[in-house]
Amino acid sequence: AQSVTQLGSHVSVSEGALVLLRCNYSSSVPPYLFWYVQYPNQGLQLLLKYTSAATLVKGINGFEAEFKKSETSFHLTKPSAHMSDAAEYFCAVSGGSNDYKLSFGAGTTVTVRA
Amino acid sequence: NAGVTQTPKFRVLKTGQSMTLLCAQDMNHEYMYWYRQDPGMGLRLIHYSVGEGTTAKGEVPDGYNVSRLKKQNFLLGLESAAPSQTSVYFCASRGTPGQPQHFGDGTRLSIL
Repeated sequence: AQSVTQLGSHVSVSEGALVLLRCNYSSSVPPYLFWYVQYPNQGLQLLLKYTSAATLVKGINGFEAEFKKSETSFHLTKPSAHMSDAAEYFCAVSGGSNDYKLSFGAGTTVTVRA
Repeated sequence: NAGVTQTPKFRVLKTGQSMTLLCAQDMNHEYMYWYRQDPGMGLRLIHYSVGEGTTAKGEVPDGYNVSRLKKQNFLLGLESAAPSQTSVYFCASRGTPGQPQHFGDGTRLSIL
């Protein structure tokens, strides 16, 4: 079975500062990993995905994430926060191509201070 | 492209009432999912389907039923609504393995 732990339910950053959201996973098989973003009163939108290719994955809106197998981590970063980055972010894992289910973390809410 | 469309967007029910939530996707995806989202708990899988005519239980299936009579539609039913089912419900669909799930905008359901 797969599971995800997101460290920190709330993160507050200043506009222009680094955004770092932490995600650790457990999986008995090589995982597929995803980051989603949810804006208020909307559904989840895919930011980026890792499916066993390059370990540094670039996504939309300037976000990227690095897969580190030794640390079982898939942390999300953005060098410079923008006010529009205020949202909730979810990390999710599936057990590779044969697993059609996703397990989600509890989510991290990001607020951006002017 | 509409993607994944959920109907209705909002609903208020009384305890004991029944209702059906409709999810429709236009991407010809085989896999479809129903989740509920509650504060601090992320998304939890209620039921899912791996193809037309199939359904399976997820993490929190009690009190819900589903049907997938057509490939593009996935229905979620509450036979006798309870206040504990107050939540935001999301439908998602997915194509080939390794591809991400695509989500609808959600249905906000309150049960009084």
